[in-house]
Amino acid sequence: GAVVSQHPSWVICKSGTSVKIECRSLDFQATTMFWYRQFPKQSLMLMATSNEGSKATYEQGVEKDKFLINHASLTLSTLTVTSAHPEDSSFYICSGGPGAPNQPQHFGDGTRLSIL
Amino acid sequence: AQSVTQPDIHITVSEGASLELRCNYSYGATPYLFWYVQSPGQGLQLLLKYFSGDTLVQGIKGFEAEFKRSQSSFNLRKPSVHWSDAAEYFCAVGSNDYKLSFGAGTTVTVRA
Repeated sequence: GAVVSQHPSWVICKSGTSVKIECRSLDFQATTMFWYRQFPKQSLMLMATSNEGSKATYEQGVEKDKFLINHASLTLSTLTVTSAHPEDSSFYICSGGPGAPNQPQHFGDGTRLSIL
Repeated sequence: AQSVTQPDIHITVSEGASLELRCNYSYGATPYLFWYVQSPGQGLQLLLKYFSGDTLVQGIKGFEAEFKRSQSSFNLRKPSVHWSDAAEYFCAVGSNDYKLSFGAGTTVTVRA
């Protein structure tokens, strides 16, 4: 089946630093990728839609300058949390798919981000 | 806009017993429906999906779900649970713009 690889799986860093999370589709081309944020014991909250070769579309309330998304190829999307602060600590998950609504999204294993 | 309701926050079931997780959706057109499972600290794994056709769909790990348009439901079932089925289960509805809306999730605990 389709595989999405997300890296790193866990990162701890100091407040004020920037953190980059990578999301790769290993065996399919993902024209569209999604970035979610998940708080403990809660559901997934869509942050943004990443489209290959164009600007990401952010959901209401998500700061585009805080969460930079780049989708430079059909197999790689990156999320950079800029000037991270403790309130940015969370579980971030990416997903990708061929871009058709009747095709399921495939999820990475998530990244646990802890900002000290 | 689409939405999903999972009425049960937490379900405890004995190993070997049957399991049913409820999901109700709201969507104006024909829905694309999914069930995903998440183990602690992991991403989501697709259990099954429904787009059209037979309203009873079979998935992986012995799970099945039934789409009932009249009830706007897509309940997930398993006849006999295993301890490894303990996890968080999410129902989701997809729209034509490929976005997914997730329910709040149901935590399943399996007791020996």
